[in-house]
Amino acid sequence: NAGVMQNPRHLVRRRGQEARLRCSPMKGHSHVYWYRQLPEEGLKFMVYLQKENIIDESGMPKERFSAEFPKEGPSILRIQQVVRGDSAAYFCASSEMVAGVGSYNEQFFGPGTRLTVL
Amino acid sequence: GENVEQHPSTLSVQEGDSAVIKCTYSDSASNYFPWYKQELGKRPQLIIDIRSNVGEKKDQRIAVTLNKTAKHFSLHITETQPEDSAVYFCAAPFTGGGNKLTFGTGTQLKVEL
Repeated sequence: NAGVMQNPRHLVRRRGQEARLRCSPMKGHSHVYWYRQLPEEGLKFMVYLQKENIIDESGMPKERFSAEFPKEGPSILRIQQVVRGDSAAYFCASSEMVAGVGSYNEQFFGPGTRLTVL
Repeated sequence: GENVEQHPSTLSVQEGDSAVIKCTYSDSASNYFPWYKQELGKRPQLIIDIRSNVGEKKDQRIAVTLNKTAKHFSLHITETQPEDSAVYFCAAPFTGGGNKLTFGTGTQLKVEL
């Protein structure tokens, strides 16, 4: 089992460009979560997805950020018109399907994508 | 949503000593509390978790205790070793269900020889 995969591991963009971050969950996992980690800070929840469905995007900035998890292929976190404040490590995690309200499954994290905006 | 506070932000101990990290949470309905370890430049990895139907859980040198009345939970590492040096994060689920987590701000643990 290869674990959660993320690519690229490092991404450099100039202000105004677009950043696309990819996440492939662990085999058998149907839920994907994106978190952002600013330098020397904790992980902040951004969005929670199943295949073809956004379950919760309450942590996503209202503009420029979007996420998808298509039927085929990896989950994508897209940041349009990047600004210096977007520089951070973006971690993806995956879990098995959650049985219902009040049920929790371990989240396995990927190695992260470190985005630097020049 | 859930609010998780973590203390201390940094902790330095001598090798062989114990380390304790504490977290408080706000949502009395929370019932799952994982602890993650993150080494420099690496991914967070789950080291132990506890569900609200137990008050303590141990795994070799690591233990977690939970006090639901006071809404706090703690990580205990005994006989610390240099490889325990890392940032440790506690977490609790968001209010309203779903598997998403609110993380504490992290504790930088340094184990000195």
